[in-house]
Formats: sequence, C-alpha cells, structure tokens
Amino acid sequence: NAGVTQTPKFQVLKTGQSMTLQCAQDMNHNSMYWYRQDPGMGLRLIYYSASEGTTDKGEVPNGYNVSRLNKREFSLRLESAAPSQTSVYFCASSESRGDQPQHFGDGTRLSIL
Amino acid sequence: RKEVEQDPGPFNVPEGATVAFNCTYSNSASQSFFWYRQDCRKEPKLLMSVYSSGNEDGRFTAQLNRASQYISLLIRDSKLSDSATYLCVVNTNAGKSTFGDGTTLTVKP
Repeated sequence: NAGVTQTPKFQVLKTGQSMTLQCAQDMNHNSMYWYRQDPGMGLRLIYYSASEGTTDKGEVPNGYNVSRLNKREFSLRLESAAPSQTSVYFCASSESRGDQPQHFGDGTRLSIL
Repeated sequence: RKEVEQDPGPFNVPEGATVAFNCTYSNSASQSFFWYRQDCRKEPKLLMSVYSSGNEDGRFTAQLNRASQYISLLIRDSKLSDSATYLCVVNTNAGKSTFGDGTTLTVKP
C-alpha cells in the first residue's frame, strides 16, 4: 500500500538550475498539495490542486510552478533554483470533502548551493 | 493573527506524565479537525480525528469546543516514543486545510 510517493528523496542543486519534484498517489484522491517546511518551522502551502485539471496558488507560490498531470500525479517545478528554496518539500493528497484528512509523502530534501 | 494557533512549547515531561495541548482557530466556518504527529525530519502522520463529542484512542483523548473555537489533545501515561511535534489541522467544508505550526513534546526518562 504505497499511499503518496515522492521522488527524489534527496537532491542538491546549484543556484539557477531547474528541477521537477514528482508526486504520485494511489488512493484515488481528488485533491493534491505541495508544502515546504523550513527547519524549525511549520508547513507552508505552495500550490494545491482541488481536482484533476485545476491548480491554485497557496501561501508561498513565487518561484514555483505545478502541473496536475492526471488524477494520480502532481509535480512541482523550480525553474531557477535559489538558496532560499532550500527546504523539505512534502506532497499530500486527500478526498475533496472537507471532513477528510490529508495523507503525506515522506518528503524531498532539497539543498540549493 | 494566524488562523490556527498552537503553543510551540517545548513541553518537557517525565515518563508517565499527563500532558495536554490546546489549539485555537479563528475561522468559525471550520468543520473538521485533526491531530497529526510529526517526528524530526519526517512527514506528518495522522494521529486522530477530533469529533464533536470528543474521542479517545488508547492513551490519547481529543476534545472540541466549538463555542470557544479550540481543540485539545490529552496524552496520558507519556512514553519516550511520544516525543514528537503535534500539529493541529482545521478544515472548512470546502476542503481548505489550515495547519498549526505545531507543539513540541519531549518525554524524558
């Protein structure tokens, strides 16, 4: 039972490089989310997708783009990485209904030099 | 003011102690509530949902007070393995989730 799978688990980039973080869920959930978490801080929502074909900005969208490729997959792209984007990135999914919790992948640890 | 606020702690308690965390929310349209546990450098994991009448799961008890707009988590007989950060989450009916920044618990021998 895989749940939410994120790849890669670790990545080091140089400033200015681009990268796509992948996320896939096998729970047939409609909604998917991307968060970042800096050391000692809470989760901050980057982008979310309420359903296949839709995406919306969250709290901290600048410097990121997303694609909801199909119902299962939701990718996050850094077009020109900056040191301020060094963080742990979590993908999550949930049913669209508000009474359902989110389920998280185990994260991508990204360092930008 | 944040939509969901938690005392960041840290709470340092001895094994066997009872500890309680509160979480306040500002959106009166909030309908569903959850507690998550997050271990250091790991993903948040659902600990329990919070029901209107309150609910219990082993040593863990969750309560909701809609009038005062807060939820609580009580941990009895604390174990070393309970050391973690506890996040409260508040959902609206439209499916919008807001996470608190978490309360850190350290249980010491």
